Amino acid sequence: NAGVTQTPKFRVLKTGQSMTLLCAQDMNHEYMYWYRQDPGMGLRLIHYSVGEGTTAKGEVPDGYNVSRLKKQNFLLGLESAAPSQTSVYFCASSSQGFGNSPLHFGNGTRLTVT
Amino acid sequence: DQQVKQNSPSLSVQEGRISILNCDYTNSMFDYFLWYKKYPAEGPTFLISISSIKDKNEDGRFTVFLNKSAKHLSLHIVPSQPGDSAVYFCAASVHGAYKYIFGTGTRLKVLA
Repeated sequence: NAGVTQTPKFRVLKTGQSMTLLCAQDMNHEYMYWYRQDPGMGLRLIHYSVGEGTTAKGEVPDGYNVSRLKKQNFLLGLESAAPSQTSVYFCASSSQGFGNSPLHFGNGTRLTVT
Repeated sequence: DQQVKQNSPSLSVQEGRISILNCDYTNSMFDYFLWYKKYPAEGPTFLISISSIKDKNEDGRFTVFLNKSAKHLSLHIVPSQPGDSAVYFCAASVHGAYKYIFGTGTRLKVLA
């Protein structure tokens, strides 16, 4: 009963490097999300997907790209990392995407950009 | 433009007493509100929700109240237990918008 799995759990990047965060869910959910958590800022939506092959921008999309090639996976990419992207990243999925259909979160990826 | 706000970054309560966490929102289109609880090094987990057509929803020790005219909701925990110590986030969604907007969170500490 894995739910939502994020890899890696920790990563340190140098400014300008690139990386991809992987999110996988085994609940057959249509909707998937990437959030970042920063002190005093709460959880802010980066990008989301309403189904396989779709992506949409959230509140803070700049500097990130996403892909949803398979229903169970949602990838978050940083093409040229910046110190401002140091954060904890959470992936989540939902069966309906609104209303009383709660998000199921992974345990997060802590990213440090030096 | 913070559409969902939690103005108290932290709250301390004695074990057995009531904890009240508050949340304000600005978007009148929000029609569902949810509360999540987050422990360190874990992802948030769903706690309780309320539809905009209701003003109260109860689940065990947790009750959420919604005041639409004031665009305000609150989470009551009675009685508070040390295991309730966590960060609490409120979130809101709009039917058909397929996304959830979160507040900044309130760190609750329940003192034994």
